[in-house]
Amino acid sequence: QQQVKQSPQSLIVQKGGISIINCAYENTAFDYFPWYQQFPGKGPALLIAIRPDVSEKKEGRFTISFNKSAKQFSLHIMDSQPGDSATYFCAAKRTDTGRRALTFGSGTRLQVQP
Amino acid sequence: DVKVTQSSRYLVKRTGEKVFLECVQDMDHENMFWYRQDPGLGLRLIYFSYDVKMKEKGDIPEGYSVSREKKERFSLILESASTNQTSMYLCASMERRRNQPQHFGDGTRLSIL
Repeated sequence: QQQVKQSPQSLIVQKGGISIINCAYENTAFDYFPWYQQFPGKGPALLIAIRPDVSEKKEGRFTISFNKSAKQFSLHIMDSQPGDSATYFCAAKRTDTGRRALTFGSGTRLQVQP
Repeated sequence: DVKVTQSSRYLVKRTGEKVFLECVQDMDHENMFWYRQDPGLGLRLIYFSYDVKMKEKGDIPEGYSVSREKKERFSLILESASTNQTSMYLCASMERRRNQPQHFGDGTRLSIL
């Protein structure tokens, strides 16, 4: 049962372009949506997160767009750089229960070509 | 800076062996987690612990157990290793407050032959 579906599986973008990764969730009780970035040989690290009471959150070149009615959220990387090449995971959590763990998407391997 | 340390980066074991993966965090976090990461499947939760000696099953607990005798240490145990447990294993810790980030170790790549 995949509660968070992520696409595409892989993405190649030219330097300076916009990278877009999409996620869709099923459980309407989810109320916290983080994105994690993972470089080869390293564990994932929190990149940016959003709660469903806002439709967009921006931090530098990274923006999360959130559509509550469609149960979808996406990560936009503006002016993509080779240093952004990594695997990106969306995730979701409901904060009203004892379960403190995240439900992750399947990941997107981003390659930014110079 | 939070540091989550996994005892081994690479581990090779044989089918049927009992395998221990160790994880230590240095930030006095209450919550600790074990995930496995497989291509195309993302990170799947095996077990988590919200306090010393407390544990809860995640989404794929079969074939695994855990131990948390001290707050800073969370161990994953493969009772009788099988080839389908060959994977990357990631440990994470998180403080108790709401919506805090999970801090991950760099993973243990486990091969079962």
